[in-house]
Amino acid sequence: QSVLTQPPSASGTPGQRVTVSCSGSNSSIGINYVYWYQQLPGTAPKLLIYRNNQRPSGVPDRFSGSKSGTSASLAISGLRSEDEATYYCATWDDSLSDEEVFGGGTRVTVL
Amino acid sequence: QVQLQESGPGLVKPSETLSLTCTVSGGSISSYYWSWIRQPPGKGLEWIAYIFYTGKTKYSPSLKSRVTISVDTSKNQFALKLSSVTAADTAIYYCASGGTYHEYWGQGTLVTVSS
Repeated sequence: QSVLTQPPSASGTPGQRVTVSCSGSNSSIGINYVYWYQQLPGTAPKLLIYRNNQRPSGVPDRFSGSKSGTSASLAISGLRSEDEATYYCATWDDSLSDEEVFGGGTRVTVL
Repeated sequence: QVQLQESGPGLVKPSETLSLTCTVSGGSISSYYWSWIRQPPGKGLEWIAYIFYTGKTKYSPSLKSRVTISVDTSKNQFALKLSSVTAADTAIYYCASGGTYHEYWGQGTLVTVSS
């Protein structure tokens, strides 16, 4: 059971906009930055979004992140076949556990 | 461009200690925090621990009693030891830069716990 809750799957057709949600708590997303990672099949995760909504160099602006209260979202606009991957949200949990936590991952399929 | 490479045995017997090393190239290990993260086959990501070059560490509470992370600045390497392993520790182990988020990742190494 992950501390951060994500839907297991999402899908869209090429060109569509897809959003992935990530639900946390007051001690995690509520007071910390959210990060998003993209994991293509058989590869290591790749940092996609940092500090809620910042894109590292080289990440297309089709990817955007947002945060509100204890939830965060990743949006992929103009969906492309190469976006088919698993997306993970992550943050720090400042509760008694005091650790980095990940969502369970959302598999995005391009129909 | 910072690059990371994990190395270590791919097979460990139950109750023994898993030992992995991460070699950092293209940058100084004294510039970042460094983390270990694992992923059981077909499952999600789990943070294990991080270390700063000064030796400051933080561990996952669920693994703290079995984990040791260390750094060797002379070799630009950091290491992971996980003791008393069971089949539940079978996973791809990644080393990564950063303590709160991870810009650079190794390719990962599969460690199987089996007799």
